[in-house]
Amino acid sequence: DAGITQSPRHKVTETGTPVTLRCHQTENHRYMYWYRQDPGHGLRLIHYSYGVKDTDKGEVSDGYSVSRSKTEDFLLTLESATSSQTSVYFCAISEPDREAAFFGQGTRLTVV
Amino acid sequence: DQQVKQNSPSLSVQEGRISILNCDYTNSMFDYFLWYKKYPAEGPTFLISISSIKDKNEDGRFTVFLNKSAKHLSLHIVPSQPGDSAVYFCAARTIQGAQKLVFGQGTRLTINP
Repeated sequence: DAGITQSPRHKVTETGTPVTLRCHQTENHRYMYWYRQDPGHGLRLIHYSYGVKDTDKGEVSDGYSVSRSKTEDFLLTLESATSSQTSVYFCAISEPDREAAFFGQGTRLTVV
Repeated sequence: DQQVKQNSPSLSVQEGRISILNCDYTNSMFDYFLWYKKYPAEGPTFLISISSIKDKNEDGRFTVFLNKSAKHLSLHIVPSQPGDSAVYFCAARTIQGAQKLVFGQGTRLTINP
């Protein structure tokens, strides 16, 4: 794995509660991403960051917010979790001069 | 609107034969195409990529072909091995900044002994 750690790896939470997922990288890569994987949809981009404090929305950003206060950390927050946010969440990193992004191991989130 | 499509949810191939996974796209602004392999409970792993200015890229048993006029790419695995059993995702990237990837739905490849 390309020096990417996601935490927690598994989480069960109740509807309406806030949840924060953490992505930590040791590669000093500029770009960081949060994707979710759902059956029949592949991976869809939630939010991404192109530098410290520089973030933007992806395809499925509603109900999510992100923060990046340091190069190595990218946080994804579900402000008020809903059952539709039950999914597997992947963090990824990349650099401007490289074509591939590298993924973390994923966080399985269940909202009950 | 699904910009990247993998129309075969699953594919079963005999060990030693060729596996061919297909992917179609609609956005002519994509400049790079990538294939990722994913095992259960793991993150996607980068496999091979191809620039939009090429029509073929080869890496060992894996070859990716790009047909820009048809907006179609394919991944060939030969010979197929049991360890190749996984879900394969096609992804595409636009020239614009931040290198965001757009993924297909994935194809589950099963290699039978």
